[in-house]
Amino acid sequence: NAGVTQTPKFRVLKTGQSMTLLCAQDMNHEYMYWYRQDPGMGLRLIHYSVGEGTTAKGEVPDGYNVSRLKKQNFLLGLESAAPSQTSVYFCASSYSAVYQPQHFGDGTRLSIL
Amino acid sequence: KQEVTQIPAALSVPEGENLVLNCSFTDSAIYNLQWFRQDPGKGLTSLLLIQSSQREQTSGRLNASLDKSSGRSTLYIAASQPGDSATYLCAVRQGGGADGLTFGKGTHLIIQP
Repeated sequence: NAGVTQTPKFRVLKTGQSMTLLCAQDMNHEYMYWYRQDPGMGLRLIHYSVGEGTTAKGEVPDGYNVSRLKKQNFLLGLESAAPSQTSVYFCASSYSAVYQPQHFGDGTRLSIL
Repeated sequence: KQEVTQIPAALSVPEGENLVLNCSFTDSAIYNLQWFRQDPGKGLTSLLLIQSSQREQTSGRLNASLDKSSGRSTLYIAASQPGDSATYLCAVRQGGGADGLTFGKGTHLIIQP
């Protein structure tokens, strides 16, 4: 049982480049989330989705876009990468927003030069 | 805005000791509180989920309590082992429509053999 899988695991980009981070879950979860983790800041919510075809902004959405075309996949896009977006990105999913825990992937470590 | 604080930021204890990690939050209107474990370079593993109507949850050597009215939770680890060494994160799901979690910055725990 794979759970939540994030690809790629590592990536180095130059300022201004674009890329897409993929999150896939095989647990038939409705809710999916993207967080970023920075030293001294803790994890912060970027965007989330409450079901296929839906997305919503979290605490720090600027500079990112997301899509949920299929229930099992949640994509995070950086259109024009900036050094401030250097971070570790985590995807999570849950069956219920309230009664079930969130399950996390192993993260994508992204460096913007 | 919800703020989650974890004390202490770091803790080192000899193997076999019982220990308590603390978490406090500023807004008591939460749906649930979740404790996670994060190993270096890895994602988050859910340990315990406490609903707002519950007072505590137990799993093996772990016991988490919740005092919603005072904005506090504790994670009790009995008979600590070197394998318990990790960063422990506390997170709350806020009421009122926001679906993501608000995280504390974590307690870095080292269990000395």
